[in-house]
Amino acid sequence: GNSVTQMEGPVTLSEEAFLTINCTYTATGYPSLFWYVQYPGEGLQLLLKATKADDKGSNKGFEATYRKETTSFHLEKGSVQVSDSAVYFCARPGRAGGFKTIFGAGTRLFVKA
Amino acid sequence: GAGVSQSPRYKVAKRGQDVALRCDPISGHVSLFWYQQALGQGPEFLTYFQNEAQLDKSGLPSDRFFAERPEGSVSTLKIQRTQQEDSAVYLCASSLTPEGGYEQYFGPGTRLTVT
Repeated sequence: GNSVTQMEGPVTLSEEAFLTINCTYTATGYPSLFWYVQYPGEGLQLLLKATKADDKGSNKGFEATYRKETTSFHLEKGSVQVSDSAVYFCARPGRAGGFKTIFGAGTRLFVKA
Repeated sequence: GAGVSQSPRYKVAKRGQDVALRCDPISGHVSLFWYQQALGQGPEFLTYFQNEAQLDKSGLPSDRFFAERPEGSVSTLKIQRTQQEDSAVYLCASSLTPEGGYEQYFGPGTRLTVT
């Protein structure tokens, strides 16, 4: 079936550390892939996206590369800040031409000063 | 401009009560989604509207759940005879286009607690 699996949290890092949050997906074809972020007390907001294989999405220092060989879309940032503390969700459309979005379970990130 | 707003932000209901949750999407957005988010989980799709038409309600967990968007803007999610398992955060999102691969803008959610 169609699903999204991301690494369990919480992830705790010190400021300026390197971040990787793993995400893999199952799908037929090559759907668009997304990372959403949920800051404390706020709604989810789109962080970045990639619409086809080998695309790299980037925003606010975060990057993720759509890798069809490994069906992965790992989120990375070279130097995290305290303000990056949030919950990160990997997501994909439910099916081609469909309307729903399937979200991973979320990974909570804590960044310590 | 204003983002997606939801009301109330918090709702406590006794088991068996009916509740109504409101979503005001971004003006002009064609698509509107409702999701249910249990504690520590990602959002789970409930239903989708394109303007006033409810095109997908496959995620509604039971016939106690009902959603409407009569004029293609504001939407209401109604839960009848609430049960404890209905306790969750209910998220509304809107999108400018009908296609599923485009960015959705989320509201802050309504946290429903059924006692």
